[in-house]
Amino acid sequence: GNSVTQMEGPVTLSEEAFLTINCTYTATGYPSLFWYVQYPGEGLQLLLKATKADDKGSNKGFEATYRKETTSFHLEKGSVQVSDSAVYFCALSVKGYSTLTFGKGTMLLVSP
Amino acid sequence: DSGVTQTPKHLITATGQRVTLRCSPRSGDLSVYWYQQSLDQGLQFLIQYYNGEERAKGNILERFSAQQFPDLHSELNLSSLELGDSALYFCASSRRNTSGSRTGELFFGEGSRLTVL
Repeated sequence: GNSVTQMEGPVTLSEEAFLTINCTYTATGYPSLFWYVQYPGEGLQLLLKATKADDKGSNKGFEATYRKETTSFHLEKGSVQVSDSAVYFCALSVKGYSTLTFGKGTMLLVSP
Repeated sequence: DSGVTQTPKHLITATGQRVTLRCSPRSGDLSVYWYQQSLDQGLQFLIQYYNGEERAKGNILERFSAQQFPDLHSELNLSSLELGDSALYFCASSRRNTSGSRTGELFFGEGSRLTVL
């Protein structure tokens, strides 16, 4: 079956620190990969995506590269802000099916 | 604002009761998905409807049911509620892209928080 494994949180950083949140996956077929973000009290929003191997998704200073050889899609940001404090979900969707499989989420807390 | 509307935002009820959660998808979206988010299980896919028909089923209990109406809004019915059903229930919707293939991008509502006492 399909599954996504994320590093457990919370991840606690100071403002302007470098962020990495690890994500690995298992999938039957060739998945599309996604990062969603959930701010406090809100629903999930798509942050970035990559649909094939070696693609890099990027948005709002966040980046993730689809690594087929290591089945990974790690999220990175060079300099986090307090406003980035949220829960980040890695997810996959196998081609032909739009149902997303999510990881358990990683909470990020950024202090001034 | 994702364009997906869920009501009610908060609901408190007792064990054994029945509740209905409502979702209006984004304009033009034909697919509706229901997810349950709890602290221990994370985000669990429950069920998907496409244009009124059930398309995919996940970890949905027999006590739960859903439907999608001709105007494309959807309702999730939860019955014989137990304490463990307390969770945040999300609705999401999606649209097909112009090529007809589905990219998997979903648009989420803000959720309905259910508390069972």
